[in-house]
Amino acid sequence: AQTVTQSQPEMSVQEAETVTLSCTYDTSENNYYLFWYKQPPSRQMILVIRQEAYKQQNATENRFSVNFQKAAKSFSLKISDSQLGDTAMYFCAFRSQGAQKLVFGQGTRLTINP
Amino acid sequence: GAGVSQSPSNKVTEKGKDVELRCDPISGHTALYWYRQSLGQGLEFLIYFQGNSAPDKSGLPSDRFSAERTGGSVSTLTIQRTQQEDSAVYLCASSAPDSPYEQYFGPGTRLTVT
Repeated sequence: AQTVTQSQPEMSVQEAETVTLSCTYDTSENNYYLFWYKQPPSRQMILVIRQEAYKQQNATENRFSVNFQKAAKSFSLKISDSQLGDTAMYFCAFRSQGAQKLVFGQGTRLTINP
Repeated sequence: GAGVSQSPSNKVTEKGKDVELRCDPISGHTALYWYRQSLGQGLEFLIYFQGNSAPDKSGLPSDRFSAERTGGSVSTLTIQRTQQEDSAVYLCASSAPDSPYEQYFGPGTRLTVT
């Protein structure tokens, strides 16, 4: 079974700084999808960024980018120019190509301080 | 457009009672998912629907849990004889046929069993 590990339960940075959240996963599959979701206090999970394993190029979405290292099974999220609205729980998630369910990590609570 | 909606937002019930949680997916989304988020277990997959069928119900923790989906739209998650360990946030998500890898989440139902 696939597992996802987020080793940083909590992180805190100053506004405008860059922060990187770590995620590692374990799978024997070659094709899969990786995601970062944001969960603010409102509880609604919001998709931040997605990466297909067959793509070598790292995904970017505005201030959010990933560092996908397939051989190392690592998928970190970098948030540039952090904003107060980035304060939330961040979850890394894995999905097999042939499956439908997401497997989530335990989450990282990120606080952006003014 | 309207997102995934869930009702009730919060539910407090006594141990041993049955509860029903409702999910209204985004219009046109054929796939629907239920997840559970609890302090001890993190985010866990419960069940997946494609249309009205549930090809993957591997995450349902016991036979007290059941779910159905009617008309390819609304889904109800039923928990019978609730136990304190059922206390959690129950999240629903849906995805579109042409974008099956992106799941859109609702705000969840917080269930508290006293």
